[in-house]
Amino acid sequence: AQTVTQSQPEMSVQEAETVTLSCTYDTSESDYYLFWYKQPPSRQMILVIRQEAYKQQNATENRFSVNFQKAAKSFSLKISDSQLGDAAMYFCAYRSWTGNQFYFGTGTSLTVIP
Amino acid sequence: GAVVSQHPSWVICKSGTSVKIECRSLDFQATTMFWYRQFPKQSLMLMATSNEGSKATYEQGVEKDKFLINHASLTLSTLTVTSAHPEDSSFYICSARAASGSLAYEQYFGPGTRLTVT
Repeated sequence: AQTVTQSQPEMSVQEAETVTLSCTYDTSESDYYLFWYKQPPSRQMILVIRQEAYKQQNATENRFSVNFQKAAKSFSLKISDSQLGDAAMYFCAYRSWTGNQFYFGTGTSLTVIP
Repeated sequence: GAVVSQHPSWVICKSGTSVKIECRSLDFQATTMFWYRQFPKQSLMLMATSNEGSKATYEQGVEKDKFLINHASLTLSTLTVTSAHPEDSSFYICSARAASGSLAYEQYFGPGTRLTVT
């Protein structure tokens, strides 16, 4: 089974600053999807960003961008101009190209300091 | 966008009783639905995958007789916790995925159900 590792259980960032959350994964597949999900205190899972492995260009969504290093099996999330509303648990997830199942990392709790 | 609802959002039940949680895809047809369990400050643990019209596939260690899953239509899946015990208290999250099209890339998550067994 694929494994997803988030080595930072907790991170903090000053408001308006930039923070990077790390994620590594293990797979033998060549095609797959990677995701970052945000889970605020409401517990609703919210998709932040998605990356297809066949795309060399890193995905971006407004203040959120990823650094996808396929050979290194690394998929970090950069949050620029951090806002108080960004405080949440962030989960990295993997899904194979044809499969159904998502594999989630253990999460990183992000605190934004005003 | 794709919306998934769960009902109830919070339920308290007595030990030994059964409780049903509903998961609905509101604006798309979900051929596959997933049920997760999440303990405080932990990740999501996949319990089972259900495909419409067929039996659910349970993850190792999940008691299928205790956690009954029914995916009777393309918009509704239910999880019934039978003979609930305090250790079943947890946050249960469902997600749904469409068969094809742009919505097939992702899972869309419901808001979760907090189950407390007393």
